[in-house]
Amino acid sequence: DGGITQSPKYLFRKEGQNVTLSCEQNLNHDAMYWYRQDPGQGLRLIYYSQIVNDFQKGDIAEGYSVSREKKESFPLTVTSAQKNPTAFYLCASSIGRGTDTQYFGPGTRLTVL
Amino acid sequence: AQKVTQAQTEISVVEKEDVTLDCVYETRDTTYYLFWYKQPPSGELVFLIRRNSFDEQNEISGRYSWNFQKSTSSFNFTITASQVVDSAVYFCALRRGGGSNYKLTFGKGTLLTVNP
Repeated sequence: DGGITQSPKYLFRKEGQNVTLSCEQNLNHDAMYWYRQDPGQGLRLIYYSQIVNDFQKGDIAEGYSVSREKKESFPLTVTSAQKNPTAFYLCASSIGRGTDTQYFGPGTRLTVL
Repeated sequence: AQKVTQAQTEISVVEKEDVTLDCVYETRDTTYYLFWYKQPPSGELVFLIRRNSFDEQNEISGRYSWNFQKSTSSFNFTITASQVVDSAVYFCALRRGGGSNYKLTFGKGTLLTVNP
């Protein structure tokens, strides 16, 4: 089945540690996105990539890094510089042109202890 | 700047009631797209509908219907004869049309609880 997978579903890390969240898609989509969701808040864009080897900062990129070495994969690293990393992280992908609709993965809930 | 406002933070209804979720948006663009997503307790956002700014026809899909009114910058979502499975957080979102910026601007969501 085609879709977007994120792993793991739940992630616990100690404060000060970097952690990488996985996002893979087999929809042959060019564009991929990372969003952060906090309780009672809408989604906020962290980074997005419209093509392999290229990505742009979203609204809240500080303390995060990404790479896009393959079309199918867009991992997000939450660094120790991110002051409030505990949140629900959602990955999305889209065709990347025209009347574009973003489709979302199941999310990863990160808790920093 | 773009903005989406969902003024209803939480709504609680009894099964079989009709319920309308409000969405008001702000944009200076003439071409834009509006979306509704459903987020059940599992967390994944499920795409429900996309509407472009040039198409003001209302849409009905089963128990779901959407009312798009450019004059009031609103894109409201109605569930008819609600069911317990409709319980979720619903997000309205806005995207600019054209160009290469596909960023979505989300509202803060409305938590709908349908009680049996």
